[in-house]
This record gives sequence, structure tokens and C-alpha cells, in this order.
Amino acid sequence: ELKVEQNPLFLSMQEGKNYTIYCNYSTTSDRLYWYRQDPGKSLESLFVLLSNGAVKQEGRLMASLDTKARLSTLHITAAVHDLSATYFCAGLIQGAQKLVFGQGTRLTINP
Amino acid sequence: DSGVTQTPKHLITATGQRVTLRCSPRSGDLSVYWYQQSLDQGLQFLIQYYNGEERAKGNILERFSAQQFPDLHSELNLSSLELGDSALYFCASSVAGQGVPYEQYFGPGTRLTVT
Repeated sequence: ELKVEQNPLFLSMQEGKNYTIYCNYSTTSDRLYWYRQDPGKSLESLFVLLSNGAVKQEGRLMASLDTKARLSTLHITAAVHDLSATYFCAGLIQGAQKLVFGQGTRLTINP
Repeated sequence: DSGVTQTPKHLITATGQRVTLRCSPRSGDLSVYWYQQSLDQGLQFLIQYYNGEERAKGNILERFSAQQFPDLHSELNLSSLELGDSALYFCASSVAGQGVPYEQYFGPGTRLTVT
């Protein structure tokens, strides 16, 4: 059974700093997804990582995937307040279509 | 805006009651997924339909049921509601059903409050 764990679960950081959110998963996953959720809102897709070594970047966010280590990271560069949100990673169970989500990382960026 | 619509946005009801949540997928998407988000359980997959047929089942209670209609919209029925059913219910849609995984696009959610 696929299990997905994120850490940290809470992260408070200052604007301008860099930080990384880690996502470990327990068994082989077809894909690894990163989503953003603002309070009370829906999930916004950020990245879909398809294969080992995949790296994707959008603005100040960069996601990577190491399938051998079963680890994905979401790196935030020079954080700005607008990036405050909860970030989820999710794995896709092989052969099926259901997403298994991590617990989420609540990111607060202070001026 | 993902293109997935859900109604209603908010629902407040009493314990023991039954409610129906509705989802319309993006144009062209054949798969619909239902997820529940609660404080204690996090985000959990409930059930998936592809072109009218059930394809995958997750942690869905027996009191809950779903269906997908010929026009591809889906309904999630929750009955004998309990306080613990209070949650945000998301619908997502994607092009594919099985085999090749495609990105899932999430709707705005229905917030259910059971009192």
C-alpha cells in the first residue's frame, strides 16, 4: 500500500529565504504530484514528475524526483509572502488512478 | 479555474440526514474522482468512475455511494450523516480511466457541515 509522508508539516519562514519540503513515499509510484491549496480553496496543480531525475521549475518553486530514494522535494527560492499556502505531494498507485496524498505542509512566509 | 464544477458550495445539515453532492467534469474528461478532506483524516480518495462505470474504490463508507451519469456528471450521495462526515468534498476529473495516468483537475469543493 502506497504511503506518502511529508516533512515538515509546518514551516514558518522569512521572505527572501530558501527552504525545502520533503516528500517520501513507501512503494513504487507511477507519478509524483505537487499541489498548492489556499485556505478553504481547491487544489491547484503545480508539478507532475514523471521519471527518475525529473526536475521542474516554475518561478520560485522547483520540484525534483528521485525514484530510487523514493523522495521528491519542493524547493522554494527567495520566498515571498504570496507563496504562503499548504503544499501537498501525492503519489499515484501503480495501475490505478487514485492519488495518495501526504499530510500537507503548511507554509507561512513572514515579511 | 480548473473547469470542474461542483454544487453546492456549502451544505449544512443535521445528523441522520441524506445529501447529494454534484460534480460536472471538464469538457472531454471521462473520469471523475471523489476525495474527502477533513482535519483528522487529511485528503482521502473515495471513489473513481470512468465513462459511467466504477473503476476504483478507496476508503468510502457503506453509507456513501456515487454514480456517473450518461452526460458524465457525477453525484456523491451521503446518507445517515454523522458529525464526523463534516468535511470538504472534492471532485476531480481527468481524460483517462485506467492504464495511462493523466493529471487530475480539482473542482472548488463542497463544504459539508453536519450539526
